[in-house]
Amino acid sequence: ETGVTQSPTHLIKTRGQQVTLRCSSQSGHNTVSWYQQALGQGPQFIFQYYREEENGRGNFPPRFSGLQFPNYSSELNVNALELDDSALYLCASSRMNYGYTFGSGTRLTVV
Amino acid sequence: AQTVTQSQPEMSVQEAETVTLSCTYDTSENNYYLFWYKQPPSRQMILVIRQEAYKQQNATENRFSVNFQKAAKSFSLKISDSQLGDTAMYFCAFMGTGTASKLTFGTGTRLQVTL
Repeated sequence: ETGVTQSPTHLIKTRGQQVTLRCSSQSGHNTVSWYQQALGQGPQFIFQYYREEENGRGNFPPRFSGLQFPNYSSELNVNALELDDSALYLCASSRMNYGYTFGSGTRLTVV
Repeated sequence: AQTVTQSQPEMSVQEAETVTLSCTYDTSENNYYLFWYKQPPSRQMILVIRQEAYKQQNATENRFSVNFQKAAKSFSLKISDSQLGDTAMYFCAFMGTGTASKLTFGTGTRLQVTL
């Protein structure tokens, strides 16, 4: 069974730009979540999708948005990038409440 | 809102020894799940062990075991026979029940296994 894959692995963007991060969920998983992990911190929940509908959101502004597709892959979009958006972005997929399988993340640097 | 606290920013253990990482949490829920995740330099979060709150028996996965004290809201991880490959950040995480549940993480403990 395939794991969770994220692309790209690294990305450098300029303040004010927009970015799209991609995630392919593990086979059979219908729930996908996105987390932001600042350097030296634990991951913070951004939002979650279940069967293509957003069903949970953390304390992030509306410029953070997402999509889940019928094949359960997902995108995270961030508009109007700020320097504080620099972080590791983790995608995780799950089936039921067993626990989440994480990808290796996308390291985003905003300059 | 749930909170997860890991009070040990860094720990060190010699190879083959045993180490215990601490975690406490706060919640008003009665049913929930607790996890320990390992994050090596490769960045990927790897599930180490999972505990269901309604199960009194402590979870065990090979060299990894937990001490789950529900009343005290404590969830510590014991690593026996430590190996160099155990060197990583370890995160304790809480998740409620339901399809909208999310993981709430602690700030992590950096574990260094030395020769």
